[in-house]
Amino acid sequence: ETGVTQTPRHLVMGMTNKKSLKCEQHLGHNAMYWYKQSAKKPLELMFVYNFKEQTENNSVPSRFSPECPNSSHLFLHLHTLQPEDSALYLCASSQDMAAISGYTFGSGTRLTVV
Amino acid sequence: AQSVTQLDSQVPVFEEAPVELRCNYSSSVSVYLFWYVQYPNQGLQLLLKYLSGSTLVESINGFEAEFNKSQTSFHLRKPSVHISDTAEYFCAVSGRRGSEKLVFGKGTKLTVNP
Repeated sequence: ETGVTQTPRHLVMGMTNKKSLKCEQHLGHNAMYWYKQSAKKPLELMFVYNFKEQTENNSVPSRFSPECPNSSHLFLHLHTLQPEDSALYLCASSQDMAAISGYTFGSGTRLTVV
Repeated sequence: AQSVTQLDSQVPVFEEAPVELRCNYSSSVSVYLFWYVQYPNQGLQLLLKYLSGSTLVESINGFEAEFNKSQTSFHLRKPSVHISDTAEYFCAVSGRRGSEKLVFGKGTKLTVNP
């Protein structure tokens, strides 16, 4: 257990469904991140939050909607996804925006869009 | 901006053989360097990092990496690998300014065969 918990671990959803991914950390970190990991592609940074404020959105389609109600929780709301959105979605946190302390990752949610 | 190149996407080796996973980076500023490991069905875990000081850094499970500024490299080595080292390894770089994020390479899948 890394201290960053992601639920669910696996999710299968249809293209018309709405679902949410949850990430929780009690490490006292102030920055949280969503990454997408697809087969044979590099890690893609999707969103960055610092002290609950979104600081980065890397041209992510609007069918992905993040929410950060507090520094310990991060959600990724999903709707009308496409099959190419199937991937491992990783949440990470860090003490602050400086990378010097490294990132702590969760185990990810394996998403399959059918 | 920084970038990372991991020259090998897959490295198969036999148990107890030495291994080197290559990583080169590009940056116009001083950097921090990291290696992360991802075991099957898990998130990424920090393996080791170079921040300053000695250019040779070690992990608790026998891996080491050497920062070579002139060659802009941070190769990961282990003199004798175990089956349990089978995983994907990611090199990452960050600039040293306060809000710099980690930039990851595409990863190298290490497979240790008996």
